[in-house]
Amino acid sequence: DVKVTQSSRYLVKRTGEKVFLECVQDMDHENMFWYRQDPGLGLRLIYFSYDVKMKEKGDIPEGYSVSREKKERFSLILESASTNQTSMYLCATRIAYEQYFGPGTRLTVT
Amino acid sequence: GENVEQHPSTLSVQEGDSAVIKCTYSDSASNYFPWYKQELGKRPQLIIDIRSNVGEKKDQRIAVTLNKTAKHFSLHITETQPEDSAVYFCAARGGGSNYKLTFGKGTLLTVNP
Repeated sequence: DVKVTQSSRYLVKRTGEKVFLECVQDMDHENMFWYRQDPGLGLRLIYFSYDVKMKEKGDIPEGYSVSREKKERFSLILESASTNQTSMYLCATRIAYEQYFGPGTRLTVT
Repeated sequence: GENVEQHPSTLSVQEGDSAVIKCTYSDSASNYFPWYKQELGKRPQLIIDIRSNVGEKKDQRIAVTLNKTAKHFSLHITETQPEDSAVYFCAARGGGSNYKLTFGKGTLLTVNP
């Protein structure tokens, strides 16, 4: 059974803070993804990684960076959080063609 | 890059009726088309998918059709039940080997008892 976990379900941060969102998978998968989900906009890809230390920008990378030091962990970093980054953040990993999603982190930036 | 359009954005049906959600894509090299269901407060979960070498796939009450020439694919749910109420997302995987998916904006399906 695939397990994708995210460090927090809910997070409240202040504008300008550095924010780390962590995602861990337990199946030794190569590909991991970070999406943000906003009402009416669907799931938009921020960054993805296809191996340790390998990353590629998605469709909306501005304001974000990522880190993948170990295969099982993929971190999303908001260098200086802004209110327009208030959103639901979903991590996913890939088995064959399918993407498995984590439970999500609802981030509020005040 | 790939662009996926999904319609309608909301759909309300009576229990027992059929529901159809349609998506179009732009990249003719796209080769994989999954559908995800997201219930309120839960993570998206894959319910059915189709690859570009197949025109139709069925799984009980759910079916997906693919028209590569027209670059569109559709989700069909028959005999809808209240537990089918959720947001449904279509997606397309473009040509290349990076396994990136581009998602549609979602359809909120409400099945009224």
